[in-house]
Amino acid sequence: GAGVSQSPSNKVTEKGKDVELRCDPISGHTALYWYRQSLGQGLEFLIYFQGNSAPDKSGLPSDRFSAERTGGSVSTLTIQRTQQEDSAVYLCASSLHYLTGQETQYFGPGTRLLVL
Amino acid sequence: AQSVSQHNHHVILSEAASLELGCNYSYGGTVNLFWYVQYPGQHLQLLLKYFSGDPLVKGIKGFEAEFIKSKFSFNLRKPSVQWSDTAEYFCAVNALGNQGGKLIFGQGTELSVKP
Repeated sequence: GAGVSQSPSNKVTEKGKDVELRCDPISGHTALYWYRQSLGQGLEFLIYFQGNSAPDKSGLPSDRFSAERTGGSVSTLTIQRTQQEDSAVYLCASSLHYLTGQETQYFGPGTRLLVL
Repeated sequence: AQSVSQHNHHVILSEAASLELGCNYSYGGTVNLFWYVQYPGQHLQLLLKYFSGDPLVKGIKGFEAEFIKSKFSFNLRKPSVQWSDTAEYFCAVNALGNQGGKLIFGQGTELSVKP
């Protein structure tokens, strides 16, 4: 079966531009998570979705970051006015449920973002 | 704030050597504990997880981890490593005080196994 997919796999952009990163979770998974992996910061939680709502946005680093999920499926992470410090690998994960915190999260390949 | 510490940033071993990677977390409540692995060029994938019960849990590929509540630790072990274990290993914690499955990750430990 298909795993979590993300697009694009690589994105190079200029400082100040907006970017959109897409995540397609495993079919039927109700929970979706975004993380960021950067040098010196490790893996950081950004936001998670239960269905289409986002109960925990605590990891979004600034108001330039936003995310939405539609139809309980695809999610888009948008970064406005990108800065060089936004350069990182953005990882998406999904899990079947979300309540217990015991679910295995299945990760996608990530989008490598480079802001010049 | 909750945090996870992995003390070894890079470990180099020869094949057949024993492995222990340290993981400590700072959270006083009930936690779910995970080890994820990222092989070169591959996605993060689950090695093993602990919720309750026997504090010694076994995962894939001969890995195991022991939860020691009094030490806030969840160390990963393997008695005899193989070259194919070369990867980056991440410890992660989910604190039940949070809603949902938010994971707090350690910084990762890069393991290099020499053939």
